[in-house]
Amino acid sequence: GESVGLHLPTLSVQEGDNSIINCAYSNSASDYFIWYKQESGKGPQFIIDIRSNMDKRQGQRVTVLLNKTVKHLSLQIAATQPGDSAVYFCAENPPGANNLFFGTGTRLTVIP
Amino acid sequence: DAGITQSPRHKVTETGTPVTLRCHQTENHRYMYWYRQDPGHGLRLIHYSYGVKDTDKGEVSDGYSVSRSKTEDFLLTLESATSSQTSVYFCAISQKNLNTEAFFGQGTRLTVV
Repeated sequence: GESVGLHLPTLSVQEGDNSIINCAYSNSASDYFIWYKQESGKGPQFIIDIRSNMDKRQGQRVTVLLNKTVKHLSLQIAATQPGDSAVYFCAENPPGANNLFFGTGTRLTVIP
Repeated sequence: DAGITQSPRHKVTETGTPVTLRCHQTENHRYMYWYRQDPGHGLRLIHYSYGVKDTDKGEVSDGYSVSRSKTEDFLLTLESATSSQTSVYFCAISQKNLNTEAFFGQGTRLTVV
């Protein structure tokens, strides 16, 4: 299967600071990427996606950056809030694949 | 959770017994998926369906079978449960198979003792 990994398994940030969660992917031909948020006891929740023809995409308080040169994906959360505490997963959809391949996740803890 | 209901939410079963997990959707999405989530592995695809009676294997399909007799229901069966199948199982749905987000259910925690 595809290898989608995360640089850091845990991340702690102060409330109000910006958070950056990183993800490395292995298939340079992957053309679609998603970030999911998973709170304790719940299923993953879609945050934002990006296609390979883009370098950056912004949502509400979140920005995803895609660097295809080094096969790196990042999720930036502005003004992190306690409700942002969760595990964040990146996922990629390689060409020809029938499903998403997920990373192992990063646990974000927001310190009040 | 985008109209997805998984049942049961929790189950404890004995090794060697059959187990069926149910996923029900009200979104009329064509694609349905079963994933398992284990520490250190993230989410891994077990089986998926691209229509009624149309299913295919995922990364970790051994020991599992699925059925989809109608659009809204996707069943995952463990014919003879083993301890290695202790996991949290998630159902997901999507309108398209590629390059689109999938919506997940709340999960079923299965413990095989």
